[in-house]
Amino acid sequence: GEDVEQSLFLSVREGDSSVINCTYTDSSSTYLYWYKQEPGAGLQLLTYIFSNMDMKQDQRLTVLLNKKDKHLSLRIADTQTGDSAIYFCAESIFQAGTALIFGKGTTLSVSS
Amino acid sequence: GAVVSQHPSRVICKSGTSVKIECRSLDFQATTMFWYRQFPKQSLMLMATSNEGSKATYEQGVEKDKFLINHASLTLSTLTVTSAHPEDSSFYICSARAVPFVGRGASYNEQFFGPGTRLTVL
Repeated sequence: GEDVEQSLFLSVREGDSSVINCTYTDSSSTYLYWYKQEPGAGLQLLTYIFSNMDMKQDQRLTVLLNKKDKHLSLRIADTQTGDSAIYFCAESIFQAGTALIFGKGTTLSVSS
Repeated sequence: GAVVSQHPSRVICKSGTSVKIECRSLDFQATTMFWYRQFPKQSLMLMATSNEGSKATYEQGVEKDKFLINHASLTLSTLTVTSAHPEDSSFYICSARAVPFVGRGASYNEQFFGPGTRLTVL
């Protein structure tokens, strides 16, 4: 079945690293994504990883994928108050034409 | 990146009326658009897949006669909530998949999301 799970809340101090975790169940996932949603706004694609990769780094963001355990994580280095938002993990099963399956989102709260 | 707009951003209507929400891809063409619904503190749930020039494909449990979808052109899809009721109050978000794939390679499935429409039914 298709199911994406995330922890609901994470609270960190400004300057610390944040790690948001996600697990998925469908081993045929081809792409895994991280989206950011600020209050009242739509979704912004942060980064994505193809299923044959283990890691992807993009500036302050590091994505780790453990395909064996079906575990995905997003690490935000030097977290800032502007990073406070809801972060959604999503997967797509096929390469083309399919909708994404989203987790429930992790609310990241950054305190100064 | 590619831009998707939605109109209106917020709408308040009376129970029993119909509301139309537009989703436009502003600088790219999209043969496929998706409509999602998001309840407070919940994830996005796919409602339907809209393909230009053909009927939309609805997810299980979504009433096609209540949520009318029209994808009349490569840049516009509309969602009409007919005879709206308070339980239809939600945040509706569309996404569009670019054709050709914008800047990321042929096998990339990036969807560009609109900013969402907040519907409140009184």
